[in-house]
Amino acid sequence: EVQLAESGGGLIQPGGSLRLSCAASGLTVGSKYMSWLRQAPGKGLQWVSIIYPGGDTYYAESVKGRFTISIDIYTNTVYLQMNNLRVEDTALYYCGGAHRPNVGDYWGQGTLVTVSS
Amino acid sequence: VLTQSPATLSLSPGERASLSCRASQSVDKYLLWYQQKAGQAPRLLVYDTTNRATGIPARFSATGSGTDFTLTISRLEPEDFAVYYCQQGLYWPTFGQGTKVEF
Repeated sequence: EVQLAESGGGLIQPGGSLRLSCAASGLTVGSKYMSWLRQAPGKGLQWVSIIYPGGDTYYAESVKGRFTISIDIYTNTVYLQMNNLRVEDTALYYCGGAHRPNVGDYWGQGTLVTVSS
Repeated sequence: VLTQSPATLSLSPGERASLSCRASQSVDKYLLWYQQKAGQAPRLLVYDTTNRATGIPARFSATGSGTDFTLTISRLEPEDFAVYYCQQGLYWPTFGQGTKVEF
């Protein structure tokens, strides 16, 4: 059974940084398409970032240059480094994994990031 | 841009639900559907327009091509009341705004 457990969310001031972690079990992060998705309170879904099995990374325009996705194959963990955070980055962030790109086969339960002064 | 309609569908258990998703340009077959219940992560229902994901009941079916897609729930069960999102996977993945199926 695939399980994805996000952590690292919290309250941060605008301009600050956070690193989200996603501990995976039941799948190998280095051989799957791993993603981050977010959902602002009461709003819809937005795909944030994807990392391919070969290491290629892709980002939504709204986070490009500020967020970095990475994996650690030894701990089977996915990370999202978020810098220069903005109020509009406030959301529940979900970690996901898939067998193909641009698909969300599996999702964790999310970690809440609140950007506020 | 993906546009879902209606925004809200008010139905009773046992009724048939038909949800629409229209794309502003062709997404070929790369259209997915997710179900999201309150306080939960999205759950993949359908991929590549018509293929049910593992473990998804047969009462969920989907059709479409190009720009017009439909998700049908043949007979609503109590656990089916939720928000449903379509997502295109041909370009950078984007979602529709969702259809809430309520009792």
